[in-house]
Amino acid sequence: DTGVSQDPRHKITKRGQNVTFRCDPISEHNRLYWYRQTLGQGPEFLTYFQNEAQLEKSRLLSDRFSAERPKGSFSTLEIQRTEQGDSAMYLCASSLGTVSFYGYTFGSGTRLTVV
Amino acid sequence: AQSVTQPDIHITVSEGASLELRCNYSYGATPYLFWYVQSPGQGLQLLLKYFSGDTLVQGIKGFEAEFKRSQSSFNLRKPSVHWSDAAEYFCAVGANNDMRFGAGTRLTVKP
Repeated sequence: DTGVSQDPRHKITKRGQNVTFRCDPISEHNRLYWYRQTLGQGPEFLTYFQNEAQLEKSRLLSDRFSAERPKGSFSTLEIQRTEQGDSAMYLCASSLGTVSFYGYTFGSGTRLTVV
Repeated sequence: AQSVTQPDIHITVSEGASLELRCNYSYGATPYLFWYVQSPGQGLQLLLKYFSGDTLVQGIKGFEAEFKRSQSSFNLRKPSVHWSDAAEYFCAVGANNDMRFGAGTRLTVKP
């Protein structure tokens, strides 16, 4: 098992374009989380899945953001009509069960730059 | 709602000196507390975690943290810092479904 993988590592896009990121969690982990991290800040919770069900979404996740985990394995995060304020590191994490007991394993993140 | 405060944005220590990074939390129930480290351009790596029991928790890379309920604190310590410890450190409080992070403390190590 190679841990949590995120692709791409870096993405530069023009304002108004759509982008999609992929996260492959640790295979036996049933929970998957997306966080956003801006410069000088800690990660901010966006959404999480238990298997294929999206169970919670933050108010930070505007209508332009959508996340899926179609078969309970990998997940995608899409941002439509990107804005400069979307520039950030997008982190994926997975967990075997409840966060309070197991904690997270993070991927290396996708850094998005909107120009 | 849970929240975490890391009062120090940036700390500089000399290599070989001791280190303490502060973390204060706010949570209505028994907190589950974590420390993560992040190197530039990388994801977060778990250093240690506290759930219950012994309030002094040992982690990887020679780090330890002490939970003090009366002070709502979970400070991270290391007796002798190495140059490779230079990174960003995040304290977090966890509930069943998610984790909330502090803004982080950036550690610089002087030779």
